[in-house]
Amino acid sequence: EDQVTQSPEALRLQEGESSSLNCSYTVSGLRGLFWYRQDPGKGPEFLFTLYSAGEEKEKERLKATLTKKESFLHITAPKPEDSATYLCAVQGVTQGGSEKLVFGKGTKLTVNP
Amino acid sequence: DSGVTQTPKHLITATGQRVTLRCSPRSGDLSVYWYQQSLDQGLQFLIQYYNGEERAKGNILERFSAQQFPDLHSELNLSSLELGDSALYFCASSGGTAIYEQYFGPGTRLTVT
Repeated sequence: EDQVTQSPEALRLQEGESSSLNCSYTVSGLRGLFWYRQDPGKGPEFLFTLYSAGEEKEKERLKATLTKKESFLHITAPKPEDSATYLCAVQGVTQGGSEKLVFGKGTKLTVNP
Repeated sequence: DSGVTQTPKHLITATGQRVTLRCSPRSGDLSVYWYQQSLDQGLQFLIQYYNGEERAKGNILERFSAQQFPDLHSELNLSSLELGDSALYFCASSGGTAIYEQYFGPGTRLTVT
């Protein structure tokens, strides 16, 4: 069974203090690893897809990287508006070809001004 | 705005009742997914439809059912509601059967009293 574990559960940073969020996964065959941002009471907002180990993607202050067992979301010089819960999900190869996502429980990031 | 719409935004009902949640996918997307998000479980996959056909089932209770109509909108029916069914219900859509990102709607918050 595919599993995703995110750490830490919560992270408090000062504005400008860079850090990384971790996503460890086990999957029978990785089709893709996805990062989402979720604000309270809202739907997850797509950030990145990573397909193979060694791949990296960047968007503004965020950079996602992927190895065979984990992914990191690096946040450089964060701002208060980066405060949100960041979700990691995997899409594995399944019988029947379902594209379902298996999510971790998320890391709640708070950036203080 | 992801392009995925969900109605209603909020729903308050009593135990034992039945409700219907509605989702319209992004224009051109053939796959619709339903997820349930509760505080302790995180985002859990319920069911996927592709172009009107059921493609995969996750942890969906027998009291719950879904369908996708010819215009590709989808409905999730929840019956014999229990207090534990209170959660956020999200619909997501994607562009097909390959490795596509899933875009989430704003969700329906269901409260069962």
